[in-house]
Amino acid sequence: DGGITQSPKYLFRKEGQNVTLSCEQNLNHDAMYWYRQDPGQGLRLIYYSQIVNDFQKGDIAEGYSVSREKKESFPLTVTSAQKNPTAFYLCASKQARGADSPLHFGNGTRLTVT
Amino acid sequence: QKEVEQNSGPLSVPEGAIASLNCTYSDRVSQSFFWYRQYSGKSPELIMSIYSNGDKEDGRFTAQLNKASQYVSLLIRDSQPSDSATYLCAVNGGSGNTGKLIFGQGTTLQVKP
Repeated sequence: DGGITQSPKYLFRKEGQNVTLSCEQNLNHDAMYWYRQDPGQGLRLIYYSQIVNDFQKGDIAEGYSVSREKKESFPLTVTSAQKNPTAFYLCASKQARGADSPLHFGNGTRLTVT
Repeated sequence: QKEVEQNSGPLSVPEGAIASLNCTYSDRVSQSFFWYRQYSGKSPELIMSIYSNGDKEDGRFTAQLNKASQYVSLLIRDSQPSDSATYLCAVNGGSGNTGKLIFGQGTTLQVKP
């Protein structure tokens, strides 16, 4: 079955530690995205990548980093510089780089930093 | 001004009624519009996409788009308790062909038996 796999589902970290969230897709999609969702709020774009070895900052990139070394993988690192890292993180992909195709989401990773 | 606005609700309707969810957007050049359903603790799932003015129907769901008024809506006919969820409106990033989607904050729908 094709889809987007995010791991782990739940992640707990101490403040000051970097943590990497995994996102893998086998849909052969070109573009991949990372969103963050806080309680009662919509999704905010962190980073996105339209092709391998290239990515762009979204609206809230500070304190985050990404890489796109393979088409299938788009890991997100939450660094210690991110002031409020506790959130629900969603990885998504879409077939084409353009505007028309919808996003498909993974099941999300819920990160708690104490 | 927020780029995509939705009333956060909750919108409460009785079972069997029509639920009407509304969304406005600020970027006039936006081309693609999507409705996602998100159950509590889960990831969003695509319900409808619409690209041109008018209505688009899929089962109990109808999406309506009015680009002149920068308004998109979702109607759910014969609402069921299983429709209780948060509905997210998403609009493509507008200027440029970046493929970014901008999301509203979502409207919570409660369908009461």
